[in-house]
Amino acid sequence: GAVVSQHPSRVICKSGTSVKIECRSLDFQATTMFWYRQFPKQSLMLMATSNEGSKATYEQGVEKDKFLINHASLTLSTLTVTSAHPEDSSFYICSARVGQGGETQYFGPGTRLLVL
Amino acid sequence: GQNIDQPTEMTATEGAIVQINCTYQTSGFNGLFWYQQHAGEAPTFLSYNVLDGLEEKGRFSSFLSRSKGYSYLLLKELQMKDSASYLCAVNAGGGNKLTFGTGTQLKVEL
Repeated sequence: GAVVSQHPSRVICKSGTSVKIECRSLDFQATTMFWYRQFPKQSLMLMATSNEGSKATYEQGVEKDKFLINHASLTLSTLTVTSAHPEDSSFYICSARVGQGGETQYFGPGTRLLVL
Repeated sequence: GQNIDQPTEMTATEGAIVQINCTYQTSGFNGLFWYQQHAGEAPTFLSYNVLDGLEEKGRFSSFLSRSKGYSYLLLKELQMKDSASYLCAVNAGGGNKLTFGTGTQLKVEL
């Protein structure tokens, strides 16, 4: 299947700082990427849909000013958690849809964020 | 809104067969996915159903009935490495967005 990478895999930061997470599609172009958050023993919750060259679409209840998404190219989307707080500690996972009409989403390996 | 239900936990024996059910009520339907997720890792794609019927892929099979809003994942010849969480996800509501169930934690025992 298609390969999606994320960086960093783990990050620990102090409360109030910002953290940037990168999501890359390695062997295909992704016009659409998705960002999810997963708390322990819970399922994935979609945060936003990242569209190349345009603004991201956020799900209800997700603060767009806190979770900044930039889809700079067809292979890169970034999620910046601004002014992180301990409650933002979670597993953040991106996925990419293969091709314009592709239904399958391939997931990155995830980024575990711990805010102290 | 979207609602997807799965059992929280299941236990099965190595070598046996297990069926994990998923029911959904969604506004629109563009396909149902099954993913496997080991603890601390990202989900890996297992199967995709958009038409009614059974899709078989090695030890894994997935069934869909759109009229009943029902799917199941069938795992045969269970191995210890199959112990994981199995996520049912529905593509509904446009934009190719996936809505995930809470996942079924499968434990395979000797």
